[in-house]
Amino acid sequence: NAGVTQTPKFRILKIGQSMTLQCAQDMNHNYMYWYRQDPGMGLKLIYYSVGAGITDKGEVPNGYNVSRSTTEDFPLRLELAAPSQTSVYFCASSLGQGAGYHEKLFFGSGTQLSVL
Amino acid sequence: AQKVTQAQTEISVVEKEDVTLDCVYETRDTTYYLFWYKQPPSGELVFLIRRNSFDEQNEISGRYSWNFQKSTSSFNFTITASQVVDSAVYFCALTTNRDDKIIFGKGTRLHILP
Repeated sequence: NAGVTQTPKFRILKIGQSMTLQCAQDMNHNYMYWYRQDPGMGLKLIYYSVGAGITDKGEVPNGYNVSRSTTEDFPLRLELAAPSQTSVYFCASSLGQGAGYHEKLFFGSGTQLSVL
Repeated sequence: AQKVTQAQTEISVVEKEDVTLDCVYETRDTTYYLFWYKQPPSGELVFLIRRNSFDEQNEISGRYSWNFQKSTSSFNFTITASQVVDSAVYFCALTTNRDDKIIFGKGTRLHILP
């Protein structure tokens, strides 16, 4: 049971480049989340999804896009990388059982992204 | 909108001392969920506890205990007889039944000194 898998673990981008951070879970979880953690700071929610085909903005969505075509996958897209997007990115999932019932989050191991 | 405040940015205690990490939350919803997570120096995020708004019982798990008080909107975390391995960043988080966002506090960095 792999849990939540994030790839890549590390990446360096040049300003203006684009990339996709991959996230996959094998627990059949409905809810998936993307967070960023700046050095020495807390977790900020970028985007989240409560099921395939449904996504919504979090606290800091600017500069990012997501899609959720399957239950398992929730990729995060950076279109025009900027130094302000240098951060550690965490993907997480949980077993949402509908009607706003929330279980604990399972986190991936993170992607460390530097934009230079 | 929900909000989580962890006013203690950094705490240092000597090993074997007890330490309490504060978490104050804000929400207008009556059904909500509170969480604590640990982030050790290795960087992964480890789930510690989940509590829903209808369960105000305090929880004890080994050296860890949690005090949930709706009257003060607080969900504080106490480590008894702290150990060096407890050194980590601890996050409190909140979500509600009407908003699927899970919002984290800024975290408290805990140093346990040998």
